[in-house]
Amino acid sequence: EAGVAQSPRYKIIEKRQSVAFWCNPISGHATLYWYQQILGQGPKLLIQFQNNGVVDDSQLPKDRFSAERLKGVDSTLKIQPAKLEDSAVYLCASSPAGPMGYEQYFGPGTRLTVT
Amino acid sequence: LAKTTQPISMDSYEGQEVNITCSHNNIATNDYITWYQQFPSQGPRFIIQGYKTKVTNEVASLFIPADRKSSTLSLPRVSLSDTAVYYCLVVPEGGGFKTIFGAGTRLFVKA
Repeated sequence: EAGVAQSPRYKIIEKRQSVAFWCNPISGHATLYWYQQILGQGPKLLIQFQNNGVVDDSQLPKDRFSAERLKGVDSTLKIQPAKLEDSAVYLCASSPAGPMGYEQYFGPGTRLTVT
Repeated sequence: LAKTTQPISMDSYEGQEVNITCSHNNIATNDYITWYQQFPSQGPRFIIQGYKTKVTNEVASLFIPADRKSSTLSLPRVSLSDTAVYYCLVVPEGGGFKTIFGAGTRLFVKA
């Protein structure tokens, strides 16, 4: 079974530039998550999708971050404009619907450096 | 959502059993306890999940007392490759939303 795919793996941009990350979840997984993980901290949930609808985006900085999940499959996370404090690893995860939904499968992440 | 508290770090030696305890005093009736493991430069990986008593799989055991206000992840005979960060999470059945990862416990296994 293929895992969660993310691209790019690494990205370096200057502050005020824009950047986009892509995630392809495990086939058939209904729920998709985007996390931000700053060095030395645990992952922080940014947004959670159930199929193609948003169920939680309370911690997403909506003035600069946006995310969409087209047709309930792939997802993109965008930052515009980027700030220095956005330097982090951005993790995508997916989980199946139903009682096994507690088990999240994570991708390798995208390491963003903002200079 | 139940807040979790775990030790920041732990040291161990190869071959020893390691027990990491997590406190979750406000756990709700329909909440489950899950543990994840994260190696450097990788995303977290699900290890084990339980509701009460004891759960064991090929990787670890999870002990949950009757009041469910805490849980203990037990790693038998650790090796150097078990050096990682371990996260305890409390989630509703089926996953729910507002998943909260704390800072986790950094386990360092020495030779």
